[in-house]
Amino acid sequence: QKEVEQNSGPLSVPEGAIASLNCTYSDRGSQSFFWYRQYSGKSPELIMFIYSNGDKEDGRFTAQLNKASQYVSLLIRDSQPSDSATYLCAVLSDYKLSFGAGTTVTVRA
Amino acid sequence: DAGVIQSPRHEVTEMGQEVTLRCKPISGHDYLFWYRQTMMRGLELLIYFNNNVPIDDSGMPEDRFSAKMPNASFSTLKIQPSEPRDSAVYFCASSLLPSGASQETQYFGPGTRLLVL
Repeated sequence: QKEVEQNSGPLSVPEGAIASLNCTYSDRGSQSFFWYRQYSGKSPELIMFIYSNGDKEDGRFTAQLNKASQYVSLLIRDSQPSDSATYLCAVLSDYKLSFGAGTTVTVRA
Repeated sequence: DAGVIQSPRHEVTEMGQEVTLRCKPISGHDYLFWYRQTMMRGLELLIYFNNNVPIDDSGMPEDRFSAKMPNASFSTLKIQPSEPRDSAVYFCASSLLPSGASQETQYFGPGTRLLVL
């Protein structure tokens, strides 16, 4: 069983603050890493992917990957109420995605 | 493109009944995935197809579950007989390439919310 663990939520942040989400994975052979956002009652949608160690920035989102520590994170800068959702970490191994349980983020206006 | 289409969006049935969930992937996508999401177990991959051929069904929980893909634009997930513990949201997703290759990713349908009484 390939495990993906996310920091337990819920995470509540004030508008304009930084939300930090963490994820660890058990399979050292994992190749690619994804962050999906899921609004309540909706389907997951991809917001970030990262393949190489280091940081990757896309707008207000930054993904960080450390394969040696088997750790991937997502930072949301200047958090907005529209960022309130559950964020799912997904790890690819052998063409299959394994998802974490998700961290629910609430941005307080 | 209309995206991944699933039907029905909601299904309520009684224990023992047969349930059939349907999915139309994005046109041109070669890979189709079926997932199940519950509060207890999160999002789990059940089975995936490449070019209509089942590649990995190791996530299918038991023989009551079966999936088919008779052509590139249609797939079904069938539960027979259904049980209350099958209650969940079932998502279908499709991709052009397996996730991780290039920048392709899986696009999810809206899901089918199944309740087995």
